[in-house]
Amino acid sequence: EAGVAQSPRYKIIEKRQSVAFWCNPISGHATLYWYQQILGQGPKLLIQFQNNGVVDDSQLPKDRFSAERLKGVDSTLKIQPAKLEDSAVYLCASSLYPGDRVNEKLFFGSGTQLSVL
Amino acid sequence: LAKTTQPISMDSYEGQEVNITCSHNNIATNDYITWYQQFPSQGPRFIIQGYKTKVTNEVASLFIPADRKSSTLSLPRVSLSDTAVYYCLVVGYSTLTFGKGTMLLVSP
Repeated sequence: EAGVAQSPRYKIIEKRQSVAFWCNPISGHATLYWYQQILGQGPKLLIQFQNNGVVDDSQLPKDRFSAERLKGVDSTLKIQPAKLEDSAVYLCASSLYPGDRVNEKLFFGSGTQLSVL
Repeated sequence: LAKTTQPISMDSYEGQEVNITCSHNNIATNDYITWYQQFPSQGPRFIIQGYKTKVTNEVASLFIPADRKSSTLSLPRVSLSDTAVYYCLVVGYSTLTFGKGTMLLVSP
C-alpha cells in the first residue's frame, strides 16, 4: 500500500517569498491533515479536511497560510508571505476517519522541511 | 482537552525493556490513550491504542490502570532502531493534539 506522498522534500526561501507544498494522501482516505512541526516540538495541527471540506482550521494563520483540497484527494498548503518563524517541517497526514475520533488513526508523510532565511 | 505529561527524554541499552509513563489526570470517560512513534526525518507512526487494562501488539504493550489517570508504554527488548520520539495522546472528541513527546535514545 502506497503511503502519503509529499513534495518537495526540502525548500529554502527568503522571508516575504511565497511557497507551496503538495500532498497526495493514501488512496481512499477521506480525511487529510496538515501539521506544522517546529524543531524540538510535537506536530501542531494547521488544518483538517474531510473530503474537500474544512473540518478544523482554528490554528491556521489565515493572514498568510492557505490550503485547498479541490477534488477531495490531493491538497496544497501555501504560505504567502513567509516569515522566519515559519521555518519548520510541514507534515501531511491522512486517515479513513470513520466518523469516530477514537478510531482516527493517522498515516503521515515524511514532510517538507522549510527553511526561511 | 486532556493534557498529557511525559518525560522529555530517556536512555536505555539494547536488549532492555523500556517503560515510558504518561500522565493524563483529566482524561474524560470517552477518551482513549494513543501512542505514536517518530523517527528522525519521518512523520509520526501509530503504535498502539487502549482504553483500560492492557493492550499488546507486535510492537509494544500499553498498560492503563483502573483510574486511567496515567498509562505506560512498554517496549520489550529495545534495539538501536527504537531510538525515536514517542508521543502520548488522549483521543476523544477534540482534534488529535501532540505534546513534545519523549526522546528515547537506545545505546549499544
